[in-house]
Amino acid sequence: AQTVTQSQPEMSVQEAETVTLSCTYDTSESNYYLFWYKQPPSRQMILVIRQEAYKQQNATENRFSVNFQKAAKSFSLKISDSQLGDTAMYFCAFMKHTNFGNEKLTFGTGTRLTIIP
Amino acid sequence: KAGVTQTPRYLIKTRGQQVTLSCSPISGHRSVSWYQQTPGQGLQFLFEYFSETQRNKGNFPGRFSGRQFSNSRSEMNVSTLELGDSALYLCASSLVDSLSPLHFGNGTRLTVT
Repeated sequence: AQTVTQSQPEMSVQEAETVTLSCTYDTSESNYYLFWYKQPPSRQMILVIRQEAYKQQNATENRFSVNFQKAAKSFSLKISDSQLGDTAMYFCAFMKHTNFGNEKLTFGTGTRLTIIP
Repeated sequence: KAGVTQTPRYLIKTRGQQVTLSCSPISGHRSVSWYQQTPGQGLQFLFEYFSETQRNKGNFPGRFSGRQFSNSRSEMNVSTLELGDSALYLCASSLVDSLSPLHFGNGTRLTVT
């Protein structure tokens, strides 16, 4: 079974600063995907960024980037030039690769991020 | 393109009753997954359907069931409701393969009194 750990329940940062959210995971799988999802007060879970485990290059999406350390089983999210709209719960998630469609997502407990004006 | 639509948004039921939640996936998406979100247990996988067949199931009692229709719309049913079933129920849809990201709806907030 997979586990995902987010050790920072809450974080806050000034607008325009950079913040890094931590995530570690444990798995015996060699082929998998890692995700960061954002859940604002509207409740909708929004995909922020995705990393395929077989790719060595860290994924980047505009102001969002990850530091994927496969050997250390670490997957942190860096948000640059943070904006007020980034205020949300952030969840790290793991999905095993399968040839038969989507396996379940295993989520961490989340980090509540507040961007201070 | 419309997103994932979940109805109703809020629901209040009493213990012992049953409830049905509905999810309409994004057009063209054939996989639908359900998740339960509670403050204590976090986000937990319930089940996943593809082409009207349940492909994966989480560790929930048999009171939790679901189905998928030929148009890919899905329903989940919870029978004999317990107080602990109070939660946000999230539905997500995706294209066929595991490279496709999950797109979530806004959820149904179920309160059991």
